[in-house]
Amino acid sequence: NAGVTQTPKFRILKIGQSMTLQCTQDMNHNYMYWYRQDPGMGLKLIYYSVGAGITDKGEVPNGYNVSRSTTEDFPLRLELAAPSQTSVYFCASSYRPLPNYGYTFGSGTRLTVV
Amino acid sequence: QQQVKQSPQSLIVQKGGISIINCAYENTAFDYFPWYQQFPGKGPALLIAIRPDVSEKKEGRFTISFNKSAKQFSLHIMDSQPGDSATYFCAASNQGGSVKLVFGKGTKLTVNP
Repeated sequence: NAGVTQTPKFRILKIGQSMTLQCTQDMNHNYMYWYRQDPGMGLKLIYYSVGAGITDKGEVPNGYNVSRSTTEDFPLRLELAAPSQTSVYFCASSYRPLPNYGYTFGSGTRLTVV
Repeated sequence: QQQVKQSPQSLIVQKGGISIINCAYENTAFDYFPWYQQFPGKGPALLIAIRPDVSEKKEGRFTISFNKSAKQFSLHIMDSQPGDSATYFCAASNQGGSVKLVFGKGTKLTVNP
């Protein structure tokens, strides 16, 4: 049982490039989330999904896109990368209602845009 | 406004001391209040959580105190250890609606030996 797997762990992008951050969970969780973490700013929700085929914006969605074609996968797409997107990105998943163990987070992707 | 305000930003405690981190929220619809612990290079992990039907929950050295009327909750770490050095996030959500968690900005705890 791997939990939530994120790839890659590190990536350097040039301004204007695009990339997809991968997230896969094997717990059959219906809810999945993408957060970004910036120093001193906590975790801010980018997008979330309540099930396959259903996604919705979070607090900071601009510059990102997501899709949820399967229960397991929830990739985050960055189009036209900007320095402001330099951050650590965390994918998480959960059931609804939230179980006693809360969200399960991946180990993160550290992205630098130069 | 869905906001959770956390203080202090950083905290230094001596080994064996008590660490206290405070959070305040605005949305009265919030009904689930977890604390997450994050070590460097890792994702956050649930430490302890409370629902508003109780005023306190204790798990080992970790205690959540909850004040519904003041819309505040806090984490107390008793007998703090160097291994507790991490960043702690409070969070809140409305379990009756979406389960989206709204996080505080985090507190970096350092426990000196």
